[in-house]
Parts: sequence; structure tokens; C-alpha cells
Amino acid sequence: EAGVAQSPRYKIIEKRQSVAFWCNPISGHATLYWYQQILGQGPKLLIQFQNNGVVDDSQLPKDRFSAERLKGVDSTLKIQPAKLEDSAVYLCASSPYRGRGNTGELFFGEGSRLTVL
Amino acid sequence: GESVGLHLPTLSVQEGDNSIINCAYSNSASDYFIWYKQESGKGPQFIIDIRSNMDKRQGQRVTVLLNKTVKHLSLQIAATQPGDSAVYFCAENGQAGTALIFGKGTTLSVSS
Repeated sequence: EAGVAQSPRYKIIEKRQSVAFWCNPISGHATLYWYQQILGQGPKLLIQFQNNGVVDDSQLPKDRFSAERLKGVDSTLKIQPAKLEDSAVYLCASSPYRGRGNTGELFFGEGSRLTVL
Repeated sequence: GESVGLHLPTLSVQEGDNSIINCAYSNSASDYFIWYKQESGKGPQFIIDIRSNMDKRQGQRVTVLLNKTVKHLSLQIAATQPGDSAVYFCAENGQAGTALIFGKGTTLSVSS
């Protein structure tokens, strides 16, 4: 079974530029997550989708970050304009969770490492 | 607030020793917990999980212990190997339907 695919793996941009990350979850997984992981810290949730609807985006800096999950499959995360503090690894995860009980195991991709200069 | 933390940022052991990684959580309503392993340059990888109606669960070479009285979680790795070197995170599911909340991580270094 193919895992969670993310691209690009690495991106270097200057502050105030824009960047987009793409995620393809495991086939059939209803729930998709974007996490931000700053060096030396644990992953922090940015947004949670169930199918193509947003479940939780309370920690997404909406003035510069946006995310969408069209057709309930692939997702993109965009940052515009980027700030120095956005330098981090952006992890996408998916799970088969459909809204009952605990989420269970999340399956993570390899991440997209962003460096903002 | 809802957060999960780990007692020690680093742990160094010799190959063959048993390792114990600890985690304290603050949300008494959390009822599901997971341990993840993250190797350099990779995404977190599931190790083992436990629900709050259990106090112990065993996997292959790993055991998770849950003490709800003191809100403490631990991961025990038997016969630690160099391949176990990684950062270990505990995560909690504070409320049904919400995403996992991760702690800061413990870096395990195994020397041979």
C-alpha cells in the first residue's frame, strides 16, 4: 500500500515570497491533517479535514496560511507571504477516521522542509 | 492547557540495555495515547498505542504503561538496538474527533 506522498521535499524561499505544498493521502483515508514541526519541537496541528470539509483550523495563521482539500483527496497548503518563523517541516498525515471515537493512528508523509531566508 | 510533555529531552543507552522514555500529560480527559518514532529527515512512525481503559500494552520489544492517577505515560524498549536511535514523541487524543496533540520529544541515542 502506498504511503502519504508529499512534495516538494525541500524548498528555500525569501521572506515575503509564497510557497505551496502538496499532499496525497493514503487511498480511502477520509481524514487529512497538516502539521507544522519547528526544529527541536513536536508536530503542531495546523488544520484537519474530514473529506473536503474543515474540522479544525483554529491554529492556522489565516492571515498568511491557507489550505484546501478539493474532492476530498489531495490537499495543498499555501503560505503567502512567508515569514522567517515559518521555517519548519510541514507534515501531512491521513487516517481512515470518519468521525466516531478516537482518531486512531495517523499515517505521516516524509514532510516538506521549508527554509525562509 | 492541553499539552503533552516529556521528562527528558535526551536519553543515551548502550546497545542491549532496556530504555524507558517518559511522558507527562496534562489533560485528564485524554483517553487515547500513541507513541511515535521519528528518524532524521522522516515523518513520525507509529510504534504503539493505548486506550485509557488499559494500563499496559505490549508490542514487539516495546511496552507502553499508562498511569492515569498521575497522568503519566511511558515507553519501554527491550534490548535497545542502534536502529532504535531516533526522537520519540508521545501524543494524546484529548477529545473524540480532535487531532493528536504531540509533546516535545525525547532523543534516544544508542551506542554499540
